[in-house]
Amino acid sequence: GAVVSQHPSRVICKSGTSVKIECRSLDFQATTMFWYRQFPKQSLMLMATSNEGSKATYEQGVEKDKFLINHASLTLSTLTVTSAHPEDSSFYICSASAGPIYNSPLHFGNGTRLTVT
Amino acid sequence: AQKVTQAQTEISVVEKEDVTLDCVYETRDTTYYLFWYKQPPSGELVFLIRRNSFDEQNEISGRYSWNFQKSTSSFNFTITASQVVDSAVYFCALSEEGNTPLVFGKGTRLSVIA
Repeated sequence: GAVVSQHPSRVICKSGTSVKIECRSLDFQATTMFWYRQFPKQSLMLMATSNEGSKATYEQGVEKDKFLINHASLTLSTLTVTSAHPEDSSFYICSASAGPIYNSPLHFGNGTRLTVT
Repeated sequence: AQKVTQAQTEISVVEKEDVTLDCVYETRDTTYYLFWYKQPPSGELVFLIRRNSFDEQNEISGRYSWNFQKSTSSFNFTITASQVVDSAVYFCALSEEGNTPLVFGKGTRLSVIA
């Protein structure tokens, strides 16, 4: 079964509103979670690295004020798309591991398909 | 900088054919990890394999096999006797030592026709 739960799986919102996406590790503690974005028929692009108890590290070109990431506990990270616009419509997917990738598998959530109208 | 190249954008095969998906990577690290994921139309990423840079043994899992060649920086994936259910986008990915995020290739869309 899924070890990383992502919610919601689909969301449609109006332009200008904010949307929160949750990523939970179900049976392990994730000190680090990663947020990716995937446009249709494109690859997954890393948006940010989320560390529990500290500020997220954003990739170049990703607006941190627009994509707010909070990693308040070892099992939950949230991504909030603020003042969403149609160009933010995309597939967002999180991943998490219990530790370094050399000895911990990296699990992905099932993704959230965001449509901004 | 790490980089993953999947030169095949789309592949179409007839059911029961064998198909190989290519993956070439670049990294300056001596310790790194290579992955293959399957992404069916529903969108979720299905983990297929993880291989570290010190293990060059080829691996077989059912109809799937992987050929890791450090000399050519390749980590190719072969599906034997393909089935319609294998139709998906397949991503090769690389992570360098430590808890670094995965860098994905652009993916190869495989269509298996009955």
